[in-house]
Amino acid sequence: GAGVSQSPRYKVAKRGQDVALRCDPISGHVSLFWYQQALGQGPEFLTYFQNEAQLDKSGLPSDRFFAERPEGSVSTLKIQRTQQEDSAVYLCASSLAQPSSYNEQFFGPGTRLTVL
Amino acid sequence: GQNIDQPTEMTATEGAIVQINCTYQTSGFNGLFWYQQHAGEAPTFLSYNVLDGLEEKGRFSSFLSRSKGYSYLLLKELQMKDSASYLCAVYNAGNNRKLIWGLGTSLAVNP
Repeated sequence: GAGVSQSPRYKVAKRGQDVALRCDPISGHVSLFWYQQALGQGPEFLTYFQNEAQLDKSGLPSDRFFAERPEGSVSTLKIQRTQQEDSAVYLCASSLAQPSSYNEQFFGPGTRLTVL
Repeated sequence: GQNIDQPTEMTATEGAIVQINCTYQTSGFNGLFWYQQHAGEAPTFLSYNVLDGLEEKGRFSSFLSRSKGYSYLLLKELQMKDSASYLCAVYNAGNNRKLIWGLGTSLAVNP
């Protein structure tokens, strides 16, 4: 596709429910990032993939959060036993970046998660 | 520690010029980004500064002073569609290529 896509765009979950958020990066982009953005805040880094390797998951707030990118393209962010504090917009971004350089990150539209 | 500061809110008039400042204190620095984010939408790239000085791109310009840990985004000939949040982010190659983000400056452009 022309850009980064995410699905679903909106998700309402009951507290304790598991959710899975999908990100389709731009074809050929090596790097993939997940961010959490609370209302009125800047994005907060969650995790980073280079191809299928998860190189940094230091931003995941708890062990209820899990991300994967098994074939180095599509990525899934899974949140188990959702809590109200998980309510936020989850942004996915991809870039061509190789380890020794940096390129612009292209963001998807985000998934707005509301936990009741 | 990592700290990025920018004003929370700014207001300006259509056709005017506005400067949004960003100061940073980070353990490493390999560039500073400005992103624009309209309500309910994803951030979109505006500029990237890695060397000191001014980068001009149409109505938008971005300035960096690495010695002062300071950047600004300058918006000229403001239009109503420029009402958005403007996010400053620092890139640190030694920090697993993370972007450290400011909280964003919400700009309201009035007629």
